[in-house]
Amino acid sequence: SAVISQKPSRDICQRGTSLTIQCQVDSQVTMMFWYRQQPGQSLTLIATANQGSEATYESGFVIDKFPISRPNLTFSTLTVSNMSPEDSSIYLCSVDGRTGEAGNEQFFGPGTRLTVL
Amino acid sequence: GEDVEQSLFLSVREGDSSVINCTYTDSSSTYLYWYKQEPGAGLQLLTYIFSNMDMKQDQRLTVLLNKKDKHLSLRIADTQTGDSAIYFCAEKGGSYIPTFGRGTSLIVHP
Repeated sequence: SAVISQKPSRDICQRGTSLTIQCQVDSQVTMMFWYRQQPGQSLTLIATANQGSEATYESGFVIDKFPISRPNLTFSTLTVSNMSPEDSSIYLCSVDGRTGEAGNEQFFGPGTRLTVL
Repeated sequence: GEDVEQSLFLSVREGDSSVINCTYTDSSSTYLYWYKQEPGAGLQLLTYIFSNMDMKQDQRLTVLLNKKDKHLSLRIADTQTGDSAIYFCAEKGGSYIPTFGRGTSLIVHP
C-alpha cells in the first residue's frame, strides 16, 4: 500500500488569492491524480500529474486555474489560482498503487479542506 | 460518459444490517469497488469485486453484483457506530481511472 500525506490539511482563504497544496507519497508511483470532492457530489478528477511533462486535465479544468507540478515520482503540488467561493471544496491527492489484484487500487490522501471567503 | 448512481443517505439502528445500493452504466466495467471515507480522512478501499463474480463475502461485508442490471450492493452485517461514514461506489472499465458515485452517508444510531 501507499501512504500519502497532504499539506495543508485545511485552509481558509480570501477570494482572489492562490493556494498550493502539496502531496507526498512514501514510495515511487507512476500515476498521481488530483480530485475535487464537493458536498453531495461525486469525486471529480481534475487532472493526472505526469512526471516530466505537463499534467493531463479533464474536461472543465484548465492549467491556468489549477497549475500542477510533478518534479519526481513521490511528490506533486496542485495550485488553486485566483480563488472564488465556488472553489471551496476538499481536494484529494490519489495514486495508482499498481499492486494487488484489485485492478490497480487507488490510494487516497487525507484531503485538503479549502474554504474561500 | 459513464455514470454511477447511489442514494445519498442511509440511516440504520446499531446491530441491524445496512444495505447500500449502486447502479452504473458502463457495460465494460471490469472492477467494481466500495470505498469508505471516515470524517476528516481520505477514501479507503473497503472491498472490490470482479465483473465475472456474483458475490463476494469478507467478514461482515457482502458484495452482490447483478451484471445484467448493472446493480451493485454492499451489505454490512451487525452494523456498528464505527461503520458511520460515507461509502463510495466506483467502477473501472476500459479507462484506468475509476468513476465514482456521489457517496452514501451511513448514519448508525443506537
